[in-house]
Amino acid sequence: SDVLTQPPSVSVAPGETARITCGGNDLGSKSVHWYQQRPGQAPVLVISYDRDRPSGIPERFSGSKSGNTATLTISRVEAGDEADYYCQVWVVGSDHSYVFGTGTQVTVL
Amino acid sequence: QVQLVESGGGVVQPGKSLRVSCEASGFAFSSYGMHWLRQAPGKGLEWVSVIEYDGSNKYYADSVKGRFTISRDNYKNILYLQMHSLRAEDTAVYYCARGFSTSSEFDSWGQGTLVTVSS
Repeated sequence: SDVLTQPPSVSVAPGETARITCGGNDLGSKSVHWYQQRPGQAPVLVISYDRDRPSGIPERFSGSKSGNTATLTISRVEAGDEADYYCQVWVVGSDHSYVFGTGTQVTVL
Repeated sequence: QVQLVESGGGVVQPGKSLRVSCEASGFAFSSYGMHWLRQAPGKGLEWVSVIEYDGSNKYYADSVKGRFTISRDNYKNILYLQMHSLRAEDTAVYYCARGFSTSSEFDSWGQGTLVTVSS
């Protein structure tokens, strides 16, 4: 089965840049979506289709992909960015499968 | 704006059944695929099931196949998840989420409803 690997945690000072990676087999051929989940809240879509930012998401959030690794970049990090972040892909096949990454906890120092 | 409100969670004994619901508003419900996802306490996100906009196709995660049934009422704008033969490992917050098609992202989520399976 598909596995998406993320670092368990990333720590960053306010105003600095946080980078969260997501690695998996054949990720280059799949669209990657990213979700932010603040403590006690439901997830929110922050990046879709590798690099598209939904309406209402700050420009500080950006996505990229190179080979089998996708990256979520948060520029000028703020205290409110402290959350868990998950990558996700849809695996096409005879049976639908939606796979999430292991999740990364971002701590703002 | 898009609003998804889950209900029906609670404490249920192992082996019993429970139905959770998701009431949708603020968008053309009958035009969207809808999903159920869950998150066990302190764990990550897990996709559970999806139903196409017209209910014609339904898919399930292996972990719930044969025990859970997804359905929808496009007149009432409500999504359902009927859960049978519940196990302790089904304990989780259950979220409904919208996806334009079955291959697209989960672009809006409800606040979730907690299901606890315990004797």
